[in-house]
Amino acid sequence: SAVISQKPSRDICQRGTSLTIQCQVDSQVTMMFWYRQQPGQSLTLIATANQGSEATYESGFVIDKFPISRPNLTFSTLTVSNMSPEDSSIYLCSVVTNIQYFGAGTRLSVL
Amino acid sequence: EDKVVQSPLSLVVHEGDTVTLNCSYEVTNFRSLLWYKQEKKAPTFLFMLTSSGIEKKSGRLSSILDKKELFSILNITATQTGDSAVYLCAVERKSSGDKLTFGTGTRLAVRP
Repeated sequence: SAVISQKPSRDICQRGTSLTIQCQVDSQVTMMFWYRQQPGQSLTLIATANQGSEATYESGFVIDKFPISRPNLTFSTLTVSNMSPEDSSIYLCSVVTNIQYFGAGTRLSVL
Repeated sequence: EDKVVQSPLSLVVHEGDTVTLNCSYEVTNFRSLLWYKQEKKAPTFLFMLTSSGIEKKSGRLSSILDKKELFSILNITATQTGDSAVYLCAVERKSSGDKLTFGTGTRLAVRP
């Protein structure tokens, strides 16, 4: 298993600002993912965070809006840029050891 | 495009009832199906299924996969209020780099 620390747990932000979410794992992992869960919806994959290279984004998500860093095998950040109320969601990081484990999530509200 | 459909969307039962949650899928090069329980924000892992007909069991929860008919069920017996949550089904395809495609979930409410 893996212990994942994600922060902040929640935040309320003004439109037009940016928020950076951090994800720390207690062991080195190759694969880290970032998901979004909009209200009442299921989880949608934003991107795969690759160590030492640019993140791989899924259709509908772009680097300018969701820049991701992965400086080492235990840490990643996701920034939600130039936020609008439509970005209000739960953001989750996950890692794969034998199965995929999730962090506690960040509940973001944009006013 | 991979597709995961869960039913029912929501369910209200009383403590002690038995519930069955359904998950059907369409995925190319299927590798595994996973069940998660989401109570607040973080999904917690329940089961991973890769082979047909082999029941996975953990306490009052059990799950089975049918790869011919492309579905899985999650059973919860003697439900308790602590079972109230959203139950998510996800599928993984081979060579997907561990990416998961999630269903919309079943919201279960267990009343005392």
